[in-house]
Amino acid sequence: DAKTTQPPSMDCAEGRAANLPCNHSTISGNEYVYWYRQIHSQGPQYIIHGLKNNETNEMASLIITEDRKSSTLILPHATLRDTAVYYCIAPMSMDSNYQLIWGAGTKLIIKP
Amino acid sequence: DTAVSQTPKYLVTQMGNDKSIKCEQNLGHDTMYWYKQDSKKFLKIMFSYNNKELIINETVPNRFSPKSPDKAHLNLHINSLELGDSAVYFCASSQDFVGVTEAFFGQGTRLTVV
Repeated sequence: DAKTTQPPSMDCAEGRAANLPCNHSTISGNEYVYWYRQIHSQGPQYIIHGLKNNETNEMASLIITEDRKSSTLILPHATLRDTAVYYCIAPMSMDSNYQLIWGAGTKLIIKP
Repeated sequence: DTAVSQTPKYLVTQMGNDKSIKCEQNLGHDTMYWYKQDSKKFLKIMFSYNNKELIINETVPNRFSPKSPDKAHLNLHINSLELGDSAVYFCASSQDFVGVTEAFFGQGTRLTVV
């Protein structure tokens, strides 16, 4: 089972910041939080990941709460091309290996 | 250049047939994966190979057999196809299997069994 909880869908106006929340209350201290997105009919695309510090790259920012039980992905200036399903993922430990457990994600619709 | 490429993109076949999906990555990654995305859009890992060795083999039917001739290729062979095998299959690769790493996905192969 996925170890994360996300809202099933969200809308955002074009040009505004899109804030996508994720709860991962059972995450272990050494597990990273990953974000991917899947645009219709394409393969998933990596966005960003973090452990406990806030992270920023050219695509997005990731804000992780101090207790690490939740995080927010921020797309600062959403465009129509950001319409996609966004997945927040916490890996499940299997011995010394990790695998990504994918949930249903949040369907983000950017409106003109 | 496409980082992770799969062929074919679409595959329509009859029940009982045997088919293969090919995957190649030009990123120099050590680990490759096969995922299945069903009609409800859930992504589930099927197999993972690290340096040509099988690391994860989730509970998929043994009709599915991955083959890795070298670390840049991970092909998926499916015997005796069934209607329930219809799905989109994604190949992916990553630099490392353990620890922090991002995965790169192919564009998917839409398999339809009729």
